Amino acid sequence: QVHLVESGGGLVKPGGSLRLSCAASGFTFSDYYMSWIRQAPGKGLEWVSSISSVSTYTHYADSVKGRFTISRDAARNSLFLQMNSLRAEDTAVYYCAREYWSSPDYWGQGTLVTVSS
Amino acid sequence: QSALTQPPSASGSPGQSVTISCTGTSSDIGTYNYVSWHQQHPGKAPKLIIYEVNKRPSGVPDRFSGSKSGSTASLTVSGLQAEDEADYYCSSHAANGVFGGGTKLTVL
Repeated sequence: QVHLVESGGGLVKPGGSLRLSCAASGFTFSDYYMSWIRQAPGKGLEWVSSISSVSTYTHYADSVKGRFTISRDAARNSLFLQMNSLRAEDTAVYYCAREYWSSPDYWGQGTLVTVSS
Repeated sequence: QSALTQPPSASGSPGQSVTISCTGTSSDIGTYNYVSWHQQHPGKAPKLIIYEVNKRPSGVPDRFSGSKSGSTASLTVSGLQAEDEADYYCSSHAANGVFGGGTKLTVL
């Protein structure tokens, strides 16, 4: 069955960087758009970024544009999110998700990113 | 960037039915039959419970149903059970990746 496992979260100082990874299994990874979605403590879901099946297209929320970069590696069935210039407001649980017509159909368990001095 | 509007809260007693709305625009929900609903229990990852307006993934009880009228989609939970208490989020194709703000469903 479909399985998505995020890793790479942790505590980072404002202005720092972090790289999240998502290991995918149970489906043909290169057939699907993938996305990152985050949830700040006590808040709702916020879409962060998406990437097309073979990396042709990438999309970003205005709040992270220019600071975050999404990428994928078909050989490793993996999705990544490089996060630079991190701010306190980037503190959230970050979920990896497979997309079906612009909406997630499978979610990972999430990885917590805390930006604090 | 379009937004999807949900009521912040809903409630019902065990056995009752509750409906949660999700209002978009003619550019997203009003045009496409690709509306999804996601259930999230506290401390857990969201889970897809409805896709393409009214389809249920395998394993989702048929107490959960979806519908759409114009630019508004709805999720109905029939025969409410205690375990249905959770947050529910809608999403739609062409809504620029935006989710609804979420509805906290309380089972009284």
